[in-house]
Amino acid sequence: GEDVEQSLFLSVREGDSSVINCTYTDSSSTYLYWYKQEPGAGLQLLTYIFSNMDMKQDQRLTVLLNKKDKHLSLRIADTQTGDSAIYFCAETLEYGNKLVFGAGTILRVKS
Amino acid sequence: DAMVIQNPRYQVTQFGKPVTLSCSQTLNHNVMYWYQQKSSQAPKLLFHYYDKDFNNEADTPDNFQSRRPNTSFCFLDIRSPGLGDAAMYLCATSRAATNEKLFFGSGTQLSVL
Repeated sequence: GEDVEQSLFLSVREGDSSVINCTYTDSSSTYLYWYKQEPGAGLQLLTYIFSNMDMKQDQRLTVLLNKKDKHLSLRIADTQTGDSAIYFCAETLEYGNKLVFGAGTILRVKS
Repeated sequence: DAMVIQNPRYQVTQFGKPVTLSCSQTLNHNVMYWYQQKSSQAPKLLFHYYDKDFNNEADTPDNFQSRRPNTSFCFLDIRSPGLGDAAMYLCATSRAATNEKLFFGSGTQLSVL
């Protein structure tokens, strides 16, 4: 089945690290993505990881993938107020580009 | 420069009055997608075009149609909008149909009065 789950809300202080978690169910997923959505805007691709990797780092972003547990996380180092947004985890199924999204995690950064 | 452009940014229509949302891309991508995102929910795929081949999702209502007259443009037509169709509509593109990243436009927020 296709199901992606995320926690609803995360609040951190400016300068702290944020960790957003996601679980997915389809073990055949080839790519897993993190998208950012600011209020009233479209989706911005932040980063992605191929399913045969377990970690990917891109500047302040670190993605960890535990394929055995079907768990994906996004760590944002030195979180800034501009990071406040909704973060969507998504998986793409093996036979196509259909993205299945989680419901999104609202990240609130307090200054 | 914006690569996937959606117009208009906000659209207001009346209950039952047909409405068309547009999307254009400068990436020359083969695949174009339409997603519907209701408030506080995940985006949901409505359909996609691979070149001129139309692929409808099984649970997309008949009220939603799409046209792709050329590589660059894709339209979403809602024949008789209901109040439940108020949502953000997101267009996306990808170079190929498998294992490719999707690039999203900024979306059109549709209100139905």
